Amino acid sequence: LAKTTQPISMDSYEGQEVNITCSHNNIATNDYITWYQQFPSQGPRFIIQGYKTKVTNEVASLFIPADRKSSTLSLPRVSLSDTAVYYCLVGRLGGALTFGSGTRLQVQP
Amino acid sequence: DAGVIQSPRHEVTEMGQEVTLRCKPISGHNSLFWYRQTMMRGLELLIYFNNNVPIDDSGMPEDRFSAKMPNASFSTLKIQPSEPRDSAVYFCASSLGRFNSPLHFGNGTRLTVT
Repeated sequence: LAKTTQPISMDSYEGQEVNITCSHNNIATNDYITWYQQFPSQGPRFIIQGYKTKVTNEVASLFIPADRKSSTLSLPRVSLSDTAVYYCLVGRLGGALTFGSGTRLQVQP
Repeated sequence: DAGVIQSPRHEVTEMGQEVTLRCKPISGHNSLFWYRQTMMRGLELLIYFNNNVPIDDSGMPEDRFSAKMPNASFSTLKIQPSEPRDSAVYFCASSLGRFNSPLHFGNGTRLTVT
């Protein structure tokens, strides 16, 4: 499974756009990139997944460059409720995924 | 859909006792995963099943841990005997098992072994 590296923590203010970048230099051809969000006392929640270029849903956007060695999760206009830990995972979906340390996002008023 | 249901939400037990954690996956999902989360080690995959068959149990810490999936709608994770270092939040997740299907997690069982 490809190893991922992401910042330990980030701070932002309400209404700002937040970009969290994840490095995955050893990503394999069949690997997808998936992001999860975890609030305290809850299980991780799926946010978005992608293989290449850009993916957008109602919650976030995922940008993946052509070499796929990194990816950026973009959260538009964050609110206090976006304070959480965000995990970047790389692997073949449907199988086991390894979680890294995640990025702790703190949104301030 | 009720999502992945885990029970109990909290479990406090004494060292040496047997602990059984339970999980009901989302109906129709054919892959089931058990994870453990601690501050020190983060989220660790313990074992996962596909169509009720254990596929990879390399993450199970030691023989004190065992997991079963007797049918598509139920799984258990048992620790016998329990030790204080087993204290953690244990999550169950399920997925459709297809190539691009995400994991759906339950809200976990917080286990405290004294």
